[in-house]
Amino acid sequence: GENVEQHPSTLSVQEGDSAVIKCTYSDSASNYFPWYKQELGKGPQLIIDIRSNVGEKKDQRIAVTLNKTAKHFSLHITETQPEDSAVYFCAASYNNNDMRFGAGTRLTVKP
Amino acid sequence: SQTIHQWPATLVQPVGSPLSLECTVEGTSNPNLYWYRQAAGRGLQLLFYSVGIGQISSEVPQNLSASRPQDRQFILSSKKLLLSDSGFYLCAWTGDTGELFFGEGSRLTVL
Repeated sequence: GENVEQHPSTLSVQEGDSAVIKCTYSDSASNYFPWYKQELGKGPQLIIDIRSNVGEKKDQRIAVTLNKTAKHFSLHITETQPEDSAVYFCAASYNNNDMRFGAGTRLTVKP
Repeated sequence: SQTIHQWPATLVQPVGSPLSLECTVEGTSNPNLYWYRQAAGRGLQLLFYSVGIGQISSEVPQNLSASRPQDRQFILSSKKLLLSDSGFYLCAWTGDTGELFFGEGSRLTVL
């Protein structure tokens, strides 16, 4: 089955700096890669996703890149703000019933 | 628009007591439904998923069970809770696009 590894587990950046979180996956058949943001005590919220037919997707300050050959994908947050502080999860799936998550990255943005 | 509700939001139960967490989805039909558990500071573990009424698949053997009595209702149950059942339980759904959306979570503490 699919195995998703995520790093770093914790990340601290200064407000205004960029943050990058990286994930690798094992199943070359995976074709959907979402990213979730989870604030304390709440459910994860889908913030961006990418499918295997594109290499990069951007939405304002966040972007995701995908390298299918190397089987890794990354989340990039530019101009970080304190409200970006949260736990971020990556995931990979081939079908609706088999989405596997990384262990999460706790991002802290220092004002 | 689609919404997902789960309750109760928090629950404190003694060891050996029963459990019932409920989840409903509005604004869609025939969704795939999921129960995840998140231990403190950990990632998301898939417990059960359902592709239709009465159809339940279990990912891991455990003290819990799930049922889907109606198209948009998913219930997580236990006859006798264990200390190790404590955690943050998340209901989620996917539609035709494959995007996974989570509820706000139910925090269970077993004492």
